[in-house]
Amino acid sequence: EVQLVESGGGLVQPGRSLRLSCAVSGFTFDDYAMHWVRQAPGKGLEWVSGISWNSGSIGYADSVKGRFTISRDNAKNSLYLQMNSLRAEDTALYYCAKGRYYDSSAYVDSWGQGTLVTVSS
Amino acid sequence: QSALTQPPSVSGSPGQSVTISCTGTSSDVGSYNRVSWYQQPPGTAPKLMIYEVSNRPSGVPDRFSASKSGNTASLTISGLQAEDEADYYCSSYTSSSTWVFGGGTKLTVL
Repeated sequence: EVQLVESGGGLVQPGRSLRLSCAVSGFTFDDYAMHWVRQAPGKGLEWVSGISWNSGSIGYADSVKGRFTISRDNAKNSLYLQMNSLRAEDTALYYCAKGRYYDSSAYVDSWGQGTLVTVSS
Repeated sequence: QSALTQPPSVSGSPGQSVTISCTGTSSDVGSYNRVSWYQQPPGTAPKLMIYEVSNRPSGVPDRFSASKSGNTASLTISGLQAEDEADYYCSSYTSSSTWVFGGGTKLTVL
């Protein structure tokens, strides 16, 4: 069974940094692309970033480009999202999501339960 | 990276059919057969319902079907059931090598 468990969320002041982690199990991690998708309270889904199986292809939404960095450690079956210069509008539930194929052009087929990030002074 | 356009809400009675549209551009929906649909009941994580325009993952009832024409994709749910009440989101790969979601549609089963 595919399991995606996010951690690292919390309350952070504007301008500060936070690092999210996603521990995966139930599938061969380095065979698949991974994504981060967020959902602000009461709002819709927003794709944040995606990374291919070997980190060779990475993409970001314009809203986070230059502030967020996605990475993965295939030896540790883990996905990360380094978030810098956080803003109030980054407040959201952040989902770790598995791509269907090795390339980040593949659709998301599994989701974690999310970790909540709140940016407020 | 503008969000795909979905109606904010749709509704139908049990047994009826409803269709949710998802309009993008020639840079996303119109150019790729990488449109997927997700169901999100309140307080839960999204669930994949349709992938690559019209394919159903195993376990998804055949009451759920989807198609695409030009820049618009559509999800149809036939034989509505109370358990179908949820938010539905479309998603598409884009020419910028990113993904974009629709704004979401709240389905109410009357």
